[in-house]
Amino acid sequence: DAGVTQSPTHLIKTRGQQVTLRCSPKSGHDTVSWYQQALGQGPQFIFQYYEEEERQRGNFPDRFSGHQFPNYSSELNVNALLLGDSALYLCASSFSSAGVAGELFFGEGSRLTVL
Amino acid sequence: GENVEQHPSTLSVQEGDSAVIKCTYSDSASNYFPWYKQELGKRPQLIIDIRSNVGEKKDQRIAVTLNKTAKHFSLHITETQPEDSAVYFCAAPQNEAAGNKLTFGGGTRVLVKP
Repeated sequence: DAGVTQSPTHLIKTRGQQVTLRCSPKSGHDTVSWYQQALGQGPQFIFQYYEEEERQRGNFPDRFSGHQFPNYSSELNVNALLLGDSALYLCASSFSSAGVAGELFFGEGSRLTVL
Repeated sequence: GENVEQHPSTLSVQEGDSAVIKCTYSDSASNYFPWYKQELGKRPQLIIDIRSNVGEKKDQRIAVTLNKTAKHFSLHITETQPEDSAVYFCAAPQNEAAGNKLTFGGGTRVLVKP
């Protein structure tokens, strides 16, 4: 079992550019959540995908968008990058029954630097 | 939405001593409280969790206690070892019928001095 895999591991972009991050969930998991972790802070919830739809969203602007594919993998897209978007982006997968919280399995993250 | 406060932000202990980290939450409907450990450059990993139907849970040297009335929960690490050095995060879900999202505390950097 490969666990949660993310790509790329590191990337550097300039302001105004767009970025796409990818995530493959742990085998058997159907839900993918994305978190942004700024240096020295706790992960901040961006959004969650289940059955190919955005199920919940945190306090992030529309520049942050995502997608989930039929195989449960997911992408996070960020448009018009700002310096403040520099962070570690964590993907977490879980198997969720509606209304029941369960363990999140995190990937190693994609470290984005915006110059 | 859920608001999770975590204290202290840093904690330095001597090897063999105990460490305690405390968190408070705001949403009284929350019913699941996990603790994650994140070593430098690594992913957060679940170390222990507790559900609202119990007040305490233990797993070897770590334990979590929950006070639903006061809306706070704590992580206790006994007989600390150098490998316990890491950042620890508490979390609580915003309990919605459509699923769960975790709101994390700001983290506690624990340093175990040999």
